[in-house]
Amino acid sequence: NAGVMQNPRHLVRRRGQEARLRCSPMKGHSHVYWYRQLPEEGLKFMVYLQKENIIDESGMPKERFSAEFPKEGPSILRIQQVVRGDSAAYFCASSNAVQGNNEQYFGPGTRLTVT
Amino acid sequence: GNSVTQMEGPVTLSEEAFLTINCTYTATGYPSLFWYVQYPGEGLQLLLKATKADDKGSNKGFEATYRKETTSFHLEKGSVQVSDSAVYFCALSDSGGSQGNLIFGKGTKLSVKP
Repeated sequence: NAGVMQNPRHLVRRRGQEARLRCSPMKGHSHVYWYRQLPEEGLKFMVYLQKENIIDESGMPKERFSAEFPKEGPSILRIQQVVRGDSAAYFCASSNAVQGNNEQYFGPGTRLTVT
Repeated sequence: GNSVTQMEGPVTLSEEAFLTINCTYTATGYPSLFWYVQYPGEGLQLLLKATKADDKGSNKGFEATYRKETTSFHLEKGSVQVSDSAVYFCALSDSGGSQGNLIFGKGTKLSVKP
């Protein structure tokens, strides 16, 4: 039973390029969360999606960042025109979000380096 | 707003020592509380959880009790091993709301020496 899959595991981009991070949730899970972990920091919530819906994007920067979770295929976190400050580990988590039991399962993360 | 504060590390212990990592929280309502562990180069793994006051979560020798009166969820283990070396994150989820996202502490790095 595969866990949460993320790819790529490592991504290097030059300033101004676009970064696309992919997340496939656990089988049977329809809720996806994206978190960002800066060096020496805890994880910060970015966005919560269900299939074809953004439920909560209160943690997403207003510009350059977008996320989607289409009916078919993985969830995508897209960062346009990357800057050095975007360098971080980006983690995806999934759940079946039964109310009152929000147990999230995390992927291995994508480590983005902007040069 | 909701927040989690955990003791800063790094914490260095000898094998078989007793471990406590303090965690306190601020939240409206009745959050669920979690401890996650992150081994080097890996994602987070759920270690244990508690969903209501006085619940005790336990796993792999680790324990934490949900204390509403002190708003705490301290992590303990009676005898640590070298393989416990990792970063430990305390987190809460206001699962009564529509968001359900986790709010994390900054993490405590534990190093266990043989």
